[in-house]
Amino acid sequence: ETGVTQSPTHLIKTRGQQVTLRCSSQSGHNTVSWYQQALGQGPQFIFQYYREEENGRGNFPPRFSGLQFPNYSSELNVNALELDDSALYLCASSPDRGLLTGEKLFFGSGTQLSVL
Amino acid sequence: AQTVTQSQPEMSVQEAETVTLSCTYDTSENNYYLFWYKQPPSRQMILVIRQEAYKQQNATENRFSVNFQKAAKSFSLKISDSQLGDTAMYFCAFITPGDGGNQFYFGTGTSLTVIP
Repeated sequence: ETGVTQSPTHLIKTRGQQVTLRCSSQSGHNTVSWYQQALGQGPQFIFQYYREEENGRGNFPPRFSGLQFPNYSSELNVNALELDDSALYLCASSPDRGLLTGEKLFFGSGTQLSVL
Repeated sequence: AQTVTQSQPEMSVQEAETVTLSCTYDTSENNYYLFWYKQPPSRQMILVIRQEAYKQQNATENRFSVNFQKAAKSFSLKISDSQLGDTAMYFCAFITPGDGGNQFYFGTGTSLTVIP
């Protein structure tokens, strides 16, 4: 079984630009969550997708948006990049409704985004 | 508010010795699950141990065990016979299923170094 894969691993952008980060969920998982991990901090919840619909959102502005595709891969889009968006972005998948029973998240290795 | 506090930013332990990492959390929910995740330099979050809040018995996984004190909202991790491969960031987290998209709440982490 394949794990969660994210691309790219590193990315450098300038303030005001737009960026798209990609994630392939673990095989059989239809729920994907995105987290932002700033330097020296724990991961912060951005949003979650379940069967292609947004299923919850953290305290992030609308310029953070996402998509989930029929094959359960996912994208995180960030518009109008700000310096504070520099962080590690983690994608995590979980099986159908698994989070309702406290199942663990399966994480990718993240995309390190630097905004200059 | 749902919060996790890890009061030890850095810790070190001699190889083969035992170390305990502290974690306190705050939630008004009764149904929740607690986790310790490990994040090595590869950046991928790896589950160490999981505890259901409704279970009084402390979870154990080989060299890893927890001390779960529900009334005190405390969830510490004990690592026995520490190994060099245990060197990593450790994050305490919990989830309250059904709450705003089933998000995980993470602490700020404890950086553990195992000294040969």
